[in-house]
Amino acid sequence: SQQGEEDPQALSIQEGENATMNCSYKTSINNLQWYRQNSGRGLVHLILIRSNEREKHSGRLRVTLDTSKKSSSLLITASRAADTASYFCARRPTDSWGKLQFGAGTQVVVTP
Amino acid sequence: EAQVTQNPRYLITVTGKKLTVTCSQNMNHEYMSWYRQDPGLGLRQIYYSMNVEVTDKGDVPEGYKVSRKEKRNFPLILESPSPNQTSLYFCASSSTQGAVYGYTFGSGTRLTVV
Repeated sequence: SQQGEEDPQALSIQEGENATMNCSYKTSINNLQWYRQNSGRGLVHLILIRSNEREKHSGRLRVTLDTSKKSSSLLITASRAADTASYFCARRPTDSWGKLQFGAGTQVVVTP
Repeated sequence: EAQVTQNPRYLITVTGKKLTVTCSQNMNHEYMSWYRQDPGLGLRQIYYSMNVEVTDKGDVPEGYKVSRKEKRNFPLILESPSPNQTSLYFCASSSTQGAVYGYTFGSGTRLTVV
């Protein structure tokens, strides 16, 4: 079974708007990673946040992590049509270095 | 170019006919892993390998085998494929610093078992 949930399942916004998606998990993590996937293609790593970090930025991306609530969020600012993709969070649990557990993803559509 | 290469890209096979999906990386990564992706379920981990000759089960290992005889290669073997193994498969790799830099994914293999 999946070890967490992503919310919302789908998101439709216009260019220039911000997109926010959330990821919740159930077990303790070592780190949490966000990936982007364009329509059936390979996943591309976006950003990684460690369990002792609360916020990270990379370009137009901002990730937060709240370990007390077991949740993370990904914010894409000033979205572009090229940001249209599915976004996945992936959790590395503390009890298994080799495992990386993905959620079902959030499908984001950015219209011009 | 640093990459993870999977072959084939598409594969249609019949139930019970053994097949192998190859995965190769050119980044000297210690860690490699296989995932399957099904609609509404995200990616589920099948097997992973921490280094040569070291493999372990992920969340959905049933019906699959792997081997890691060389650092660069991590083939996925379906000895007797069944229709419920129809899926999109991804191979990924990382250095032992994957906890810092994340994983590199291949382009995927779309498998159909009829």
